Amino acid sequence: QKEVEQDPGPLSVPEGAIVSLNCTYSNSAFQYFMWYRQYSRKGPELLMYTYSSGNKEDGRFTAQVDKSSKYISLFIRDSQPSDSATYLCAMGGGYFGNEKLTFGTGTRLTIIP
Amino acid sequence: GAVVSQHPSWVICKSGTSVKIECRSLDFQATTMFWYRQFPKQSLMLMATSNEGSKATYEQGVEKDKFLINHASLTLSTLTVTSAHPEDSSFYICSATDLIGLAGPYEQYFGPGTRLTVT
Repeated sequence: QKEVEQDPGPLSVPEGAIVSLNCTYSNSAFQYFMWYRQYSRKGPELLMYTYSSGNKEDGRFTAQVDKSSKYISLFIRDSQPSDSATYLCAMGGGYFGNEKLTFGTGTRLTIIP
Repeated sequence: GAVVSQHPSWVICKSGTSVKIECRSLDFQATTMFWYRQFPKQSLMLMATSNEGSKATYEQGVEKDKFLINHASLTLSTLTVTSAHPEDSSFYICSATDLIGLAGPYEQYFGPGTRLTVT
């Protein structure tokens, strides 16, 4: 069993729809949960991070973490064609920035105009 | 702030040759840099963790004699793929974290990646 599971998609939705992206994990030591967006042939860029359980909102993006279920989600409201990318969840156990991250496989998202 | 660059962005080399990829932190000092490999439609797989002035720590299954990592300064780490073969063709991405490292693991900044094609 992989430490982090993510549905690879692809996922296609019409512009303006709400998008839900999810990851499950098995390692209860994970404390930090991140979502990255990666455009084709580019490096990942951090979208949001959450520490422990709870919700966090930033504009059209909402991240949710349920540690009891080992399940995290990213919601995108009012989706735009520019949101078309691969979304990667990532998790870390330690507090410090020099500790390694474990990534999901990524979900390819296409927003149809 | 927190910009990481990689050079080259794309390299083609012949089988059996070596190729060097540079990762630079442009506006901060990076005590730790990470090297990842990403195959098409797959996730980032951590290859090694590199601390300035120390030997890199390689993940299980990664050949340290084939993937040479040098982190000689606080702004530069290099990955050299020695005796490259077509199966080494991949997208190589580095990330860096700042000198103090007191932030969480979300404070890793990723480079734009280097596409290696071995013919």
